[in-house]
Amino acid sequence: GAVVSQHPSRVICKSGTSVKIECRSLDFQATTMFWYRQFPKQSLMLMATSNEGSKATYEQGVEKDKFLINHASLTLSTLTVTSAHPEDSSFYICSIGGIAKNIQYFGAGTRLSVL
Amino acid sequence: EDQVTQSPEALRLQEGESSSLNCSYTVSGLRGLFWYRQDPGKGPEFLFTLYSAGEEKEKERLKATLTKKESFLHITAPKPEDSATYLCAVDRGNKLVFGAGTILRVKS
Repeated sequence: GAVVSQHPSRVICKSGTSVKIECRSLDFQATTMFWYRQFPKQSLMLMATSNEGSKATYEQGVEKDKFLINHASLTLSTLTVTSAHPEDSSFYICSIGGIAKNIQYFGAGTRLSVL
Repeated sequence: EDQVTQSPEALRLQEGESSSLNCSYTVSGLRGLFWYRQDPGKGPEFLFTLYSAGEEKEKERLKATLTKKESFLHITAPKPEDSATYLCAVDRGNKLVFGAGTILRVKS
């Protein structure tokens, strides 16, 4: 399978600040990357699909201006949580797809805590 | 609307006690069903993908099967290191829709 690196693994920030999370595909050129969030004891909820060189496609109910996604290269996608608030505290996970038969390979996740 | 339901929510087994996890789904035109393992504080790890009813896949103590309405993840003689959350997902046109998962605890 593909290797996905996600950074940072944990971040604590003050309310109102912005936080950037990086997702790197280490051994595969990923034209498509996905961003999920996961609340405690709940499943993964897709936030957006990120396509290299074009605008991300957001799921219904996800604020585009709140969660900025940039996929500028085939190996890097970033998620910026702008003006973070405590309700944005969650586990954010990225994945890469388009490898074979729609299998997605996931990063280790980023735990965001907004104080 | 596509739905994925996993049961039980949590399962406790003794080491060596075999059991099965269930994933039932309603989706128009199944393109693929996926099983992932997720350890606490980590991202999901790919286990299996199944595409048609009757298909089976095996990996060590795990075996996944698929019917037209559900999939089972059979765990044979589990060990404590098999403890994790097991997630099921269906392919909805290049997107995955996940179930809530089954938390498995195997005690020695």
